[in-house]
This record gives sequence, C-alpha cells and structure tokens, in this order.
Amino acid sequence: NAGVTQTPKFRVLKTGQSMTLLCAQDMNHEYMYWYRQDPGMGLRLIHYSVGEGTTAKGEVPDGYNVSRLKKQNFLLGLESAAPSQTSVYFCASAGPIGTDTQYFGPGTRLTVL
Amino acid sequence: AQKITQTQPGMFVQEKEAVTLDCTYDTSDQSYGLFWYKQPSSGEMIFLIYQGSYDEQNATEGRYSLNFQKARKSANLVISASQLGDSAMYFCAMRERTSGTYKYIFGTGTRLKVLA
Repeated sequence: NAGVTQTPKFRVLKTGQSMTLLCAQDMNHEYMYWYRQDPGMGLRLIHYSVGEGTTAKGEVPDGYNVSRLKKQNFLLGLESAAPSQTSVYFCASAGPIGTDTQYFGPGTRLTVL
Repeated sequence: AQKITQTQPGMFVQEKEAVTLDCTYDTSDQSYGLFWYKQPSSGEMIFLIYQGSYDEQNATEGRYSLNFQKARKSANLVISASQLGDSAMYFCAMRERTSGTYKYIFGTGTRLKVLA
C-alpha cells in the first residue's frame, strides 16, 4: 500500500517550458488536491477533483491545468512555466467522510529559471 | 479574510515541557473539521490530530491534544512533554464543505524549535 506518490521529486525548468506532475493514490479516494507551498504562505489550493473525470479551480489556479482521467491519478500541468511557479507542490487525497484527513504525497520541488 | 490564522510564526520550548500552538478559524458552516499537521525538515506532511465541529470532547492522540473552543473559534494544539523530534513546522487546517465539495484551508504555520 503505497498511499500517495508523486512523480518527479525534483525538477528544474527554463521559463516557457512545459511539464506534467503526476500524482497517484491507491486508497480508492474520491477527492484529490494539488497544493503549492511557498515560504511563509502555508499550502494554497491550486486545483482539486471530487471524482474521476471532474476538476475544479482552487485558490491559485492561473497557469496550471489538471486532469483526472482515472480515479487513482491526478495530473497537474504547467503549459508555460514562469519563475513565479517555483515552489514545492503537494498532492493529497481524501475520502468522502467528514472525519477523513488528507493523505499527502512526498512533494515535488520545482525550480523555474 | 484569513479563514485560518496562526499568529505565532515561531516558538521555542524546552525539552520535556508542554507547548501550545495557536489556531483560530473563521467559518459560517455548522459542520466542519479541524486538523493539525506536522512538517519536519524532510518536507513530508504528517497528520497529527482531528476535531469535528460537533465533537464535545477535545481530541487527544498520544502527546497531542486539541484545545477546541467553539465559541471563540479556536483550535489550539497542545504538545505535552516536548521532544527534540517535535522540532518542525506545524499547520492548522480546516475542512469545510462549499458548493457540495470538501476543501481544506491551511494556516501559514508555526515553526517550533525544541531546545535541549
């Protein structure tokens, strides 16, 4: 039982390049979330999904796109990376019950030069 | 407006002493959940404790307890008998249901340093 995994763990991009971050969970969770963590700002929600085939915008969605084609996977895409997107990205999943905590992946450290 | 407020950017505590990390929240919902997470220097997010809005008793998990004061909208984390391994960043979060979906809102965190 791997929980939540994220690929890759580290990445360096040049401005304008694109990339996709992959999040996978094996807990059959309906809810999946992408956050970014910047110093002094806690975790901010980028996009989230309430089930296969659904996505919704969070607090800071600009410059990102997401897809949830399979229940266990949630992809975060950067079409044209900018230095402002340098951050640590966390994926999380949660069940539908009110007492459920989120289960986090290990994070992806992205640097955009 | 901030929905989750952690007013202590940094805290120090002597080993074996207790420490309280403050968290206040803002919601108009009747049903919500409050969580605390620990983030050590290695970066992973570790779930510590949960309190539901309808729970009358304060939640406890080992050395962690959540001091829930609903009228004051506060959910402070109390760590008893601090250990060096407790040095980390601590985040308070609220789960609320908006537009039929659950979202989690995080505070900016408190960095705790335990002194030997």
